[in-house]
Amino acid sequence: GDSVTQMEGPVTLSEEAFLTINCTYTATGYPSLFWYVQYPGEGLQLLLKATKADDKGSNKGFEATYRKETTSFHLEKGSVQVSDSAVYFCALTRMDSSYKLIFGSGTRLLVRP
Amino acid sequence: DVKVTQSSRYLVKRTGEKVFLECVQDMDHENMFWYRQDPGLGLRLIYFSYDVKMKEKGDIPEGYSVSREKKERFSLILESASTNQTSMYLCASSHKQGGLKINQPQHFGDGTRLSIL
Repeated sequence: GDSVTQMEGPVTLSEEAFLTINCTYTATGYPSLFWYVQYPGEGLQLLLKATKADDKGSNKGFEATYRKETTSFHLEKGSVQVSDSAVYFCALTRMDSSYKLIFGSGTRLLVRP
Repeated sequence: DVKVTQSSRYLVKRTGEKVFLECVQDMDHENMFWYRQDPGLGLRLIYFSYDVKMKEKGDIPEGYSVSREKKERFSLILESASTNQTSMYLCASSHKQGGLKINQPQHFGDGTRLSIL
C-alpha cells in the first residue's frame, strides 16, 4: 500500500543553519505531496504542496521539489529560526482517492538560539 | 481563515465510559475527518465523512463510531473507552475534490488530548 517515510528526529540545529528533512514515498499512480507543520500545542497546518513531477512547493522560506525518479519530497530551508521549532509531517494523497492523506511519522525540529 | 474547532483541548475519562468528541468547521467543507496521533506512528485515519449522514471507515475504525447530522459538525464516539484509546485526536475538514477544486488541503483543529484511566 501507499506509504511515506521520513527521517527520524529530533533534528537539532543552530539558528541560521541550513535545514533538510528527508521524505520518500511509495505510491501507485501520481500522488500529490504535502508538508504539514505542527507547532507545540496546536493542530497541523499546511506548509506547502506539489501536485506533479518537478513541481516545487514553497512557503515561509521552506521549499520542496517533487522528484518522481527518486520518489522523494525533501523539505529544505536556507536559514532556520527558533520559531521554526515544530514537528514536520510529509504526506501524500492519490488523485483517485484524494480525500485520504497518508502521513509520515513526523520529524521534530529543534532550533537553538 | 478556515476555523476547525474541537470542543475540548484536554479530556479525562474512565474505562468503559462512552466518550464524545465534537468538531465544528465554519467553511462549508464537504469532507470531515478524524485522526489519532501517537508518538512514532504519525497520524492515522479513524473515520471520514464526505457528506451529511455519510461516513466511511479509515485505517483504524475499531472501537469508534461517528455521527454527522449537520454539514458543519462531525462527532467521534468511543463506545466503551479503553486505555489503549489514550491519544491525541485531531479533526480536519476540506472541500471535496473535483472540477476546479483539486488538491484541496485539509484544515486541522488544535486537537483533543484524551486520557482514559
